[in-house]
Amino acid sequence: DAGITQSPRHKVTETGTPVTLRCHQTENHRYMYWYRQDPGHGLRLIHYSYGVKDTDKGEVSDGYSVSRSKTEDFLLTLESATSSQTSVYFCAIRLGSDGDYGYTFGSGTRLTVV
Amino acid sequence: SQQGEEDPQALSIQEGENATMNCSYKTSINNLQWYRQNSGRGLVHLILIRSNEREKHSGRLRVTLDTSKKSSSLLITASRAADTASYFCATAGGNTPLVFGKGTRLSVIA
Repeated sequence: DAGITQSPRHKVTETGTPVTLRCHQTENHRYMYWYRQDPGHGLRLIHYSYGVKDTDKGEVSDGYSVSRSKTEDFLLTLESATSSQTSVYFCAIRLGSDGDYGYTFGSGTRLTVV
Repeated sequence: SQQGEEDPQALSIQEGENATMNCSYKTSINNLQWYRQNSGRGLVHLILIRSNEREKHSGRLRVTLDTSKKSSSLLITASRAADTASYFCATAGGNTPLVFGKGTRLSVIA
C-alpha cells in the first residue's frame, strides 16, 4: 500500500527469542497502529502511537512492546516469542489527526513461532 | 473485545446479484467504516459514514447507519467476481483506535 511498508513480510522464529517487526511510513502521519489478525478473532489492537515517543496499549498488549523514536518508524517487539503469538501482524496509519479519517494498512507480516 | 459484529459470517452469491452485510456495535460512535481484505493482503478502506449521517454511496457501495439500533449495513450492487473478499466494519469514537469486527467472507461466483 502506498506510503506504508512492513518488514519482514514473513518470519519463522523459535519460542523464547525476541522478534522485532518494523512499520515504515513516508507521509508523516501522526497516528500509527499495530493489529494482529487471527482466525475467528478478526483484527485486535496491540499498541498504537499518537506521536514520537507517545504510545499506548491496546486490547492484546501483553508480551509486546513498541517504540517510536521517529515519526516514520513504529517498531513492534515480541520480547520472548510464544506459539500463541503466531499470527499475521498489520501496521496501519491514520490519514489525518483530527476529524473522521480512515486507515491505510500495510501488507502484513506473517509470523510463525515454532 | 470486538465492538462491531458482522452478519452473516459468510455469504455466497452469483455474479450480478446484490450482497448485503450487516454490522452491529455496542457503544456510541463518531463514525463507522467499512474495509475490504483480499486473501493474503492488507485491509483497504472502502467508505466512512459519520454518526450524523444515515446513508452514503460510493460507486456500487451503499452504506446505511442506524444509531438508534447501533447497526450498519453495506450493500454491494451488481456483484462481480472481483468483489470476493472479506469485509470488516470498524467503529471509531473520538481519537480512540478503530475497533474491528470479525468480518464477513463474501464469495461471488461467476
